[in-house]
Amino acid sequence: GQSLEQPSEVTAVEGAIVQINCTYQTSGFYGLSWYQQHDGGAPTFLSYNALDGLEETGRFSSFLSRSDSYGYLLLQELQMKDSASYFCAVGSARQLTFGSGTQLTVLP
Amino acid sequence: GAGVSQSPSNKVTEKGKDVELRCDPISGHTALYWYRQRLGQGLEFLIYFQGNSAPDKSGLPSDRFSAERTGESVSTLTIQRTQQEDSAVYLCASSSGGGQAGQPQHFGDGTRLSIL
Repeated sequence: GQSLEQPSEVTAVEGAIVQINCTYQTSGFYGLSWYQQHDGGAPTFLSYNALDGLEETGRFSSFLSRSDSYGYLLLQELQMKDSASYFCAVGSARQLTFGSGTQLTVLP
Repeated sequence: GAGVSQSPSNKVTEKGKDVELRCDPISGHTALYWYRQRLGQGLEFLIYFQGNSAPDKSGLPSDRFSAERTGESVSTLTIQRTQQEDSAVYLCASSSGGGQAGQPQHFGDGTRLSIL
């Protein structure tokens, strides 16, 4: 089976940097993905890591260490619109298993 | 539109009734997924379709749940004899390629199901 752990809540101020961690246990690992979901909205894809290291996409970066079964999402220059839930998800050959999500609140 | 479309957006029904939820994936996407999301929780995988292959039904919580997909087009999720614990948002997603982990899943806005 697969299981993931991520913090339930994170709070930061506008302009700051925040890191959301994700640890996982899985059989058959095909990569770690991150999704963003605003209240009442659809999840949207942010990033994917198949190999160890850092992937950067604008203000967002994602990191993976397969040996530690650990990854994180780094959000820089936080904006109010970044307030949302962030889900990590591990992939098998055919499907994703999602974590319970981290609610990020950005304060002015 | 170009995105995943789900209908209805909201559904309120009485306990014991059957409901049918619809998903129109992005044109050309071979993989289609259904998820359930309870309030404040993560996404719970229900079922996966890939082209004309047999669907992966491993996430369906009971035999009251079923889903169909015709080719690479519309899918319907049916819940029979609904129970109050079925109240949730039901999300559909599609992706290109073979549905592997690295293929981004594109989600619809979901159907918010409320069982009275």
